[in-house]
Amino acid sequence: AQSVTQLGSHVSVSEGALVLLRCNYSSSVPPYLFWYVQYPNQGLQLLLKYTSAATLVKGINGFEAEFKKSETSFHLTKPSAHMSDAAEYFCAVSERHGTDKLIFGTGTRLQVFP
Amino acid sequence: SAVISQKPSRDICQRGTSLTIQCQVDSQVTMMFWYRQQPGQSLTLIATANQGSEATYESGFVIDKFPISRPNLTFSTLTVSNMSPEDSSIYLCSVAGNANTGELFFGEGSRLTVL
Repeated sequence: AQSVTQLGSHVSVSEGALVLLRCNYSSSVPPYLFWYVQYPNQGLQLLLKYTSAATLVKGINGFEAEFKKSETSFHLTKPSAHMSDAAEYFCAVSERHGTDKLIFGTGTRLQVFP
Repeated sequence: SAVISQKPSRDICQRGTSLTIQCQVDSQVTMMFWYRQQPGQSLTLIATANQGSEATYESGFVIDKFPISRPNLTFSTLTVSNMSPEDSSIYLCSVAGNANTGELFFGEGSRLTVL
């Protein structure tokens, strides 16, 4: 069975600082991996996805993530945080040839201070 | 991409009552998924709904508590039955993206508060 672990339920950074949100996955088959963002009182929006093409994936709003099979990781980064990045971030995994249902991590709340 | 509309967007309900949430998609989709997001927590899959067949429920969720309908390829409903305060959550409808990318599109959710 697939699972994801997000280390750190809360991350705080200063505006302009590097953002690093950690995600490790467990999967018996090569996975699809996703990062979603949820702004306050809104639904989920896809940031980026890994589906077996390039291991470094670029998403919206300047975010990117690198798939590292040897470390079973898919950490999300952004070189310079903006105030507008404050939100909840969820890592998710699905089977490559499965039913498309996603298993979500527990989420990381990102706070950005001026 | 798919545009997903959910109704109601929020509601306050009394203990013991039932509420049906509607999910409308702007295109035909094979699978629809219902998730629950309890306050301050992540998303948990309740069930997968395919048109023309009974929904498939995840461990910990049963049809009597969360009956689902899927009458056509653009619509589904989730009923939360005999509600208790523990059912206070955001309920989200989602659909798989095209081209089998594994991506899901989400509605904005239905926020239920049970008193």
